[in-house]
Amino acid sequence: QSALTQPASVSGSPGQSITISCTGTSSDVGSYNLVSWYQQHPGKAPKLMIYEVSKRPSGVSNRFSGSKSGNTASLTISGLQAEDEADYYCCSYAGSSTRFGGGTKLTVL
Amino acid sequence: QVQLVQSGAEVKKPGASVKVSCKASGYTFTSYGISWVRQAPGQGLEWMGWISAYNGNTNYAQKLQGRVTMTTDTSTSTAYMELRSLRSDDTAVYYCARDLGMTTVTTTLDYWGQGTLVTVSS
Repeated sequence: QSALTQPASVSGSPGQSITISCTGTSSDVGSYNLVSWYQQHPGKAPKLMIYEVSKRPSGVSNRFSGSKSGNTASLTISGLQAEDEADYYCCSYAGSSTRFGGGTKLTVL
Repeated sequence: QVQLVQSGAEVKKPGASVKVSCKASGYTFTSYGISWVRQAPGQGLEWMGWISAYNGNTNYAQKLQGRVTMTTDTSTSTAYMELRSLRSDDTAVYYCARDLGMTTVTTTLDYWGQGTLVTVSS
């Protein structure tokens, strides 16, 4: 069971938008609308940012949005802020199991 | 408010077992599942498995099948994860997280415990 594929790192300047991709297969991302995204700051527990591809939990900024096309899901962060600098992980249902992506380090320049 | 409070750090020798607890409060325990996720030092997140607090059904990651057991005690709203035959590469922070799925895995983990560091060393 391979992990989902994410870029190791992305960066952007304050105010800009960035997109993090998450590529899976027809056995996970491509078959289910159960893709979620987690933000993790160093030494902290992960935080749910997006669930079911594009839904935002209460309290999460609307600068965060999610989408999916085929076997690839994406997380977009608009209006980058310094506090967005963190690791981001995608997660997909894979038929009675769950797979995480390898994680993407977001640097706000 | 929803809280998941995990047991403290553990140091174990190779071949031993560890049992981590996760006490839930602030919600109806049996209306959700609990997933366990671990993170080795400097590495990414790894899903270990899920248990329904409603009926005790479990799904385990294939690579851990036979070594991991997840249980719940509904009388105390506590979930447990036991990992046996520990190896050095089991050294990690272990997290419990509330899964929105009461009877099936959903991958929507909306509340997380603080994490428990398990160190496996001779």
